Amino acid sequence: QVQLVQSGAEVKKPGASVKVSCKASGYTFTNFHINWVRQVPGQGLEWMGWVSPSSGDTGYAQNFQGRVTIARDTSITTSYMELSSLTSDDTALYYCARMGDHTKPDPDYWGQGTLVTVSS
Amino acid sequence: QAGLTQPPSVSKGLGQTATLTCTGNSDNVGDQGAAWLQHHQGHPPKLLSYRNNIRPSGISERFSASRSGNTATLTITGLQPEDEADYYCSAWDSRLYAYVFATGTKVTVL
Repeated sequence: QVQLVQSGAEVKKPGASVKVSCKASGYTFTNFHINWVRQVPGQGLEWMGWVSPSSGDTGYAQNFQGRVTIARDTSITTSYMELSSLTSDDTALYYCARMGDHTKPDPDYWGQGTLVTVSS
Repeated sequence: QAGLTQPPSVSKGLGQTATLTCTGNSDNVGDQGAAWLQHHQGHPPKLLSYRNNIRPSGISERFSASRSGNTATLTITGLQPEDEADYYCSAWDSRLYAYVFATGTKVTVL
């Protein structure tokens, strides 16, 4: 069965960076894009960007341009999301999600979420 | 967040039908349609419908999606207590070149 397992919770100081991993299994990793989405407490879902595991191509939301890097390692079927210059506004639950095939590229499988807390 | 609008809340009685709307524009919903997700706090979101209105495997037939022009609709029939959740529509925006989520609708089952 398709599974996305994310790394554990993180506590970071303002100005630091955080790197969250997402280990995929149960399907051909290179056939489906991985997207990253976050939810700030009390707010809705916010799209951050995507990576194509086959090509390594990426795309990022305007709000995170220059601050986020999404990558993948096909040898271990894992995607990574790194967010830099953290502020308290980045305290959120971060999710990875597999997107469906090219006919319906919507987030059909989700990781369990990784809580990132930014606090001095 | 740009482009997709949902009513903040919908309340219906047990067993009734809830109709949720998602209004976008020709760059997103009107272009490729909208997906629908259910989110219970403390759990990851669950996809209820792809943008082509097809339910993923395992999703109840009580959830059905449709689209007319720039507005997508999710209909939940026979409301159950477990349907109380936040519901989000989402779509690819071809002008922004971004995947966008609406602000969500909180469904309350009375």
